[in-house]
Amino acid sequence: DAMVIQNPRYQVTQFGKPVTLSCSQTLNHNVMYWYQQKSSQAPKLLFHYYDKDFNNEADTPDNFQSRRPNTSFCFLDIRSPGLGDAAMYLCATSTGLAGGVDEQFFGPGTRLTVL
Amino acid sequence: AQSVSQHNHHVILSEAASLELGCNYSYGGTVNLFWYVQYPGQHLQLLLKYFSGDPLVKGIKGFEAEFIKSKFSFNLRKPSVQWSDTAEYFCAVMSPRGTYKYIFGTGTRLKVLA
Repeated sequence: DAMVIQNPRYQVTQFGKPVTLSCSQTLNHNVMYWYQQKSSQAPKLLFHYYDKDFNNEADTPDNFQSRRPNTSFCFLDIRSPGLGDAAMYLCATSTGLAGGVDEQFFGPGTRLTVL
Repeated sequence: AQSVSQHNHHVILSEAASLELGCNYSYGGTVNLFWYVQYPGQHLQLLLKYFSGDPLVKGIKGFEAEFIKSKFSFNLRKPSVQWSDTAEYFCAVMSPRGTYKYIFGTGTRLKVLA
């Protein structure tokens, strides 16, 4: 089945130690997104890629970076995690078809713990 | 700042009861509107969506939503809930349309008692 895969599902890191979260997709979608979701809060869009074009949300901290080396993979790098970065990180994709309604397809998420 | 409000954070219903979950958004331009559902232990998945045309949209599993532009609302409804509808429901807006900038509400946790 075509899907969005996130690895690892659970990640524990230490305060200040860089961490990378991975997302891959078999849907061949143009757009890939990263969201941060803290407990009892709305998923918050961090950034998205339309193909190779990177789009950062204005309020995304500089501590968060992303890479998309090819269509299938997208990475979230947290350069110096703080305790406040502990959250569920969701990856999603959409077709990116112009003028259409872009349904997002979500992965299962990676739960990040910062010690 | 643009926002999406879901007024009911927790809802408990008995099976066969009717459901209505509220969603209001703040953006005045053209928007795409979505309801997503997250069943326990599963990932977010689309229930239904609206972008133009008939303001009453039907989704999967008997859900429907009505877009009322004058009220900036997109409420989710189901005439008769089932135990299997126990889940968390998120309203989302793509604003402005075509920008791929999604704003989600904080979600409503629905528990249906058998």
